[in-house]
Amino acid sequence: AQSVTQLDSHVSVSEGTPVLLRCNYSSSYSPSLFWYVQHPNKGLQLLLKYTSAATLVKGINGFEAEFKKSETSFHLTKPSAHMSDAAEYFCVADPSGGYNKLIFGAGTRLAVHP
Amino acid sequence: DVKVTQSSRYLVKRTGEKVFLECVQDMDHENMFWYRQDPGLGLRLIYFSYDVKMKEKGDIPEGYSVSREKKERFSLILESASTNQTSMYLCASSHWWTGEGNQPQHFGDGTRLSIL
Repeated sequence: AQSVTQLDSHVSVSEGTPVLLRCNYSSSYSPSLFWYVQHPNKGLQLLLKYTSAATLVKGINGFEAEFKKSETSFHLTKPSAHMSDAAEYFCVADPSGGYNKLIFGAGTRLAVHP
Repeated sequence: DVKVTQSSRYLVKRTGEKVFLECVQDMDHENMFWYRQDPGLGLRLIYFSYDVKMKEKGDIPEGYSVSREKKERFSLILESASTNQTSMYLCASSHWWTGEGNQPQHFGDGTRLSIL
């Protein structure tokens, strides 16, 4: 069965230091992959998407992610954390064409300390 | 920018009531979805629709129904609300698959529903 695993449920960083949120996927072929962010009491906002055009994907707010097929990974990074980055982050796979049924990771809660 | 609007941010209802949650999108998306989000369980798909008057069951359709009479509007209906339906409900929409890969879903801000 296809699955998405976020390797850390909680990550804590200091403001100004790098962020790394890890994601592995399991699929018999390369799915479309997305990272979303959810701030408290809000919906999910799309950060970036990978759809096979380029393995390094740049998103909004300085985030980027690299697709590594050999490692089946799609880790999210940011060079310098900001207090406003504190939120929950979801790695999401879309293995299907057409119906767009998503497979969600369990989420990683990012805390940013002054 | 894509806008997905859910009619209520917070809603309180009583057990046994019929509850309607409304969602409207302004980007002419073919696909629309309803999820619920619960701590420890993540996001779970309730129903989705890929065209007007079309609907497909998701992973947890029991106790829910949906209606899509117009392309931009997708309603979730709790036929007889129960306390275990207290949750955060999220609506999303997306375009149909294109040759450039699957299109991302765009989410509304959610409705926090409490059933007393």
